[in-house]
Amino acid sequence: GIQVEQSPPDLILQEGANSTLRCNFSDSVNNLQWFHQNPWGQLINLFYIPSGTKQNGRLSATTVATERYSLLYISSSQTTDSGVYFCAVNFGNEKLTFGTGTRLTIIP
Amino acid sequence: KAGVTQTPRYLIKTRGQQVTLSCSPISGHRSVSWYQQTPGQGLQFLFEYFSETQRNKGNFPGRFSGRQFSNSRSEMNVSTLELGDSALYLCASQPAGGGTGELFFGEGSRLTVL
Repeated sequence: GIQVEQSPPDLILQEGANSTLRCNFSDSVNNLQWFHQNPWGQLINLFYIPSGTKQNGRLSATTVATERYSLLYISSSQTTDSGVYFCAVNFGNEKLTFGTGTRLTIIP
Repeated sequence: KAGVTQTPRYLIKTRGQQVTLSCSPISGHRSVSWYQQTPGQGLQFLFEYFSETQRNKGNFPGRFSGRQFSNSRSEMNVSTLELGDSALYLCASQPAGGGTGELFFGEGSRLTVL
C-alpha cells in the first residue's frame, strides 16, 4: 500500500510565526486531503487538494503530484492553530491512508 | 446541512462485552467509512460501505464488523472487547464510494475498555 510520511513530527512556534508542514507519499494518488484534529478529536477538513495550490485565509496548500509531496503553509500562527495536522491519500478504490501527523504547538 | 453524526460520543465497557457504534452520514452521502485511532497505531482504516455493501476492509480481526442500512446510516460492532480496543472510533462520509472525493468526519466515539 501507499506509504505516507509527514514532517516534522513536532513543531513548537511563537504566536505570529509562519510554518510549513510536509507530506510525502510513495505512489501516485488521486485523492489527498489535509486535516486538523481539534482537542476533542474531530478531524476538520482543511483542503482537498490532489494537485495544485489552494488558499483559505491564513492557510494554503500545494500538492506536486508528479513529485509525490504536498505542503501545508500556516501564516501568522494563532494559539487556536495548535493541534495535530494529518494528510491522507489514496488512489482509485484503495483505502485512505493517513500519515502519522505533525503536532503543532503555538506558544502565546 | 448537518454534518456526520456519531453516537454515543463516550462509552465505557469491560473486557468480553460487545459494543455497537452508530454513524449518520451527511444527507445525500452514500459512502461511510470507519477508522480507529490509538496513540500507538495512529489512524487505521477499518472498513468502507457504499450502498449497503462493504467495499473495502482493513486489517482487523473478525471481531470488528459493520453494516450499512438503506438510508446510508452505518453501524460498527466490536465483539469480545479487549483492552487494546480502547480507542477513538471515527466515521467519515463522502458523496460516492470508491475512495474519490472529499471525506468528512464526525466527532468520533471514544471507547474505553476496562
